[in-house]
Amino acid sequence: SQTIHQWPATLVQPVGSPLSLECTVEGTSNPNLYWYRQAAGRGLQLLFYSVGIGQISSEVPQNLSASRPQDRQFILSSKKLLLSDSGFYLCAWKGFGEAYEQYFGPGTRLTVT
Amino acid sequence: GQNIDQPTEMTATEGAIVQINCTYQTSGFNGLFWYQQHAGEAPTFLSYNVLDGLEEKGRFSSFLSRSKGYSYLLLKELQMKDSASYLCAVLDSNYQLIWGAGTKLIIKP
Repeated sequence: SQTIHQWPATLVQPVGSPLSLECTVEGTSNPNLYWYRQAAGRGLQLLFYSVGIGQISSEVPQNLSASRPQDRQFILSSKKLLLSDSGFYLCAWKGFGEAYEQYFGPGTRLTVT
Repeated sequence: GQNIDQPTEMTATEGAIVQINCTYQTSGFNGLFWYQQHAGEAPTFLSYNVLDGLEEKGRFSSFLSRSKGYSYLLLKELQMKDSASYLCAVLDSNYQLIWGAGTKLIIKP
């Protein structure tokens, strides 16, 4: 069965500091991978998605970036965090075929102070 | 633009039935999803509708009317553990999920 991991679970960072969040998937090959952000009481905002190694699509212009150095690894980064970057960051994967549902990792709660 | 509307919050009683509505206006339609999200946790997949009609899964059912841009999630025999947010999401013409803000469901004993 497939498993998706994210770390860290929680993070408190000062404004202007760098960020690196990691997501890995087990039990599947060449999944589509997604990074979402959820602000408190809000819906999910798609930040980036990737259909393969080195292939990244950005949905929202911001000070975040993403990379996919390996098939089952997806990294979200920032060089300088802003207060508005606070939120719940979720990584998700989707397999191939007719099933379009996405499955989420446990998430990282980021507080920028 | 793309828009998905859900009520912000609903309250229901343990053992009762509740219907959570979702209306959408999106660029294309390739299916509608319902997810459950407990506080502080990630969303979990509940149901997928791509054709009109009702899909039943145990205590949960989901209905879709594509001509009306409307769906609902029906929860029967409510239990306290059903207290959560319920997210409606539409797969658009680019096969990307567009998410509603979610409906917070409060279950009272």
